[in-house]
Formats: sequence, C-alpha cells, structure tokens
Amino acid sequence: SQQGEEDPQALSIQEGENATMNCSYKTSINNLQWYRQNSGRGLVHLILIRSNEREKHSGRLRVTLDTSKKSSSLLITASRAADTASYFCATPASGGSNYKLTFGKGTLLTVNP
Amino acid sequence: DTAVSQTPKYLVTQMGNDKSIKCEQNLGHDTMYWYKQDSKKFLKIMFSYNNKELIINETVPNRFSPKSPDKAHLNLHINSLELGDSAVYFCASSLGTYMNTEAFFGQGTRLTVV
Repeated sequence: SQQGEEDPQALSIQEGENATMNCSYKTSINNLQWYRQNSGRGLVHLILIRSNEREKHSGRLRVTLDTSKKSSSLLITASRAADTASYFCATPASGGSNYKLTFGKGTLLTVNP
Repeated sequence: DTAVSQTPKYLVTQMGNDKSIKCEQNLGHDTMYWYKQDSKKFLKIMFSYNNKELIINETVPNRFSPKSPDKAHLNLHINSLELGDSAVYFCASSLGTYMNTEAFFGQGTRLTVV
C-alpha cells in the first residue's frame, strides 16, 4: 500500500520563486527521504530527515518533518530551470521491513525561465 | 565511474519473449533492489537482496526471477513477457537498510512489450 502522498501533483513557477511540496504519510517512521527524478533519468537522493529531527537544510533545499501530523515539506528556494523534475518523498516500509522504500506519487515541478 | 549501472537502457520486445536486465554497483553496498515505475510514475519495490540473499519479493509474478551472483550484481530475468510488463525498471543499492541510509538508483531500463 502507498505510504507517502505528495501535494500538489504538479507545480509550475517562475525562475527565482520558491517551490514548496508537501508529503503526508500514514504510519510511524524512522526517517523520511526526498528524491528528485529528471525526465528519463533515475532517482537522485536529495535529503534524509530522521524522525527526531524537525528541520534540515542542504544548499537551497529545506525539509521539515512534523511527526505529530505525519507530514513533511520540501522547500526549494530561488528555483532555477534546472530544478524542473519530479520530486518524491519516500519512507522505509512499516511492519519491520526496512529493506524497501515506499514512494509517493510525486510532484512534478516545472520552473519556467 | 557510474555508481549503479544497468543495461540495456531501452528494451523493445514481443509478447512471449524472455529478456534480462543487468545491474551492477561499484559502491561496495550490500543491499540491492529492483523497482518498477509505471506510466503514471508510481514506483513500487519488486525485490530486495541483502548479501546475495532474497529479503523481499513483493508479490511479483513467478515470471520475474532475480539473480544475484555476488553483492555487486543483481540481474532481472523475465519470462513470457506480457503487455502489462511495459514499464521502467530501476535497479538501486544501499549500504544496509533504509533505516539510516539512502538509496542510489541506476538510470532505468525502459521495457516496451509489443
């Protein structure tokens, strides 16, 4: 069953603007991960936030985690055309199986030059 | 010096054929995976291997048979291909489990069954 759900499904912004994507999940987690997928390419890991962390930064990326609401957000500041991609949140599976990541459906971000 | 490489990148074949996709990682990871991404970009785990041992088989039809000759390789063989098998297949690897680490993905193999 699907664990993460991203919102919105698609987002279109102008270069220089900030982009915020949200992810909700259903069960308790040890960590939550964000990945980027450029068109026709594989997934690239962006950031991992652990359940005892509330916020994490990496360059222009800022991820927050609210375990009480079972939600996370990914903020990309000062977006660039090269940020155009699909963004997925993923969590280790529940039920003790840590050998798989369960992905959401992704948010398609388009950054217009 | 590609981290996770899979071949071929594109595969077009007829229904009923048997095909294989190869995957190799040079990261020294002990865990490897196969994921399937459908036309709506939904990613789903198929198999997980840790130290060459099958850990997860996510209700995948028996026509799909993974083989891990060593920790650096995880190949996927598909028998009697069906139209519904058309998708992008991703190989991935990680060091240990997802409890504390991220996955590294290959570039994907786009399989089209006609």
